[in-house]
Amino acid sequence: AQSVTQLDSQVPVFEEAPVELRCNYSSSVSVYLFWYVQYPNQGLQLLLKYLSGSTLVKGINGFEAEFNKSQTSFHLRKPSVHISDTAEYFCAVILLRGSYIPTFGRGTSLIVHP
Amino acid sequence: DGGITQSPKYLFRKEGQNVTLSCEQNLNHDAMYWYRQDPGQGLRLIYYSQIVNDFQKGDIAEGYSVSREKKESFPLTVTSAQKNPTAFYLCASSETGGGANVLTFGAGSRLTVL
Repeated sequence: AQSVTQLDSQVPVFEEAPVELRCNYSSSVSVYLFWYVQYPNQGLQLLLKYLSGSTLVKGINGFEAEFNKSQTSFHLRKPSVHISDTAEYFCAVILLRGSYIPTFGRGTSLIVHP
Repeated sequence: DGGITQSPKYLFRKEGQNVTLSCEQNLNHDAMYWYRQDPGQGLRLIYYSQIVNDFQKGDIAEGYSVSREKKESFPLTVTSAQKNPTAFYLCASSETGGGANVLTFGAGSRLTVL
């Protein structure tokens, strides 16, 4: 079985401050990892993905994430956030076995204050 | 522009009525998915289809039905058997049904049962 845990349901932060959104997964086999962003009343769009290779992955809008196999984590970071980063962020995992259907975490609401 | 179109964006239904949500894609993707989103619960998979004329149940298929008669279309019917249908419904597609499935999402349909 696989599961995805996003440890924070809500993260408030001031503009231009750094932020980290946490994601942990559990799986007995190798995985692909993703972060998606959802703006209000919209669908999700891909921020970044880890498939293999370098454990530090850079995505759109200045976001990056680091895959840590020993910690089974894939935390999302941005060194300086903007008001426009206010959104819901979802971590997703694909198990490299079976149907290859993504499983999503419950989401973290990032709220950037001026 | 290629993408996924969901309609209607907002839908109201009386208890006991069936309702069908439309999902059309012009990305030439093989796989299509339906997710349900509730506050604090992330995305839960309802049904998915990896090829025309074939589809599989997801984690919460009870009270829902789908069809995949054409590659570009994957409508979802919310039946009267679904006990708590009020939710935000997201349709997605991916190039294939396996591998590093990066999902492309529609803008969603919000269903409210009165």
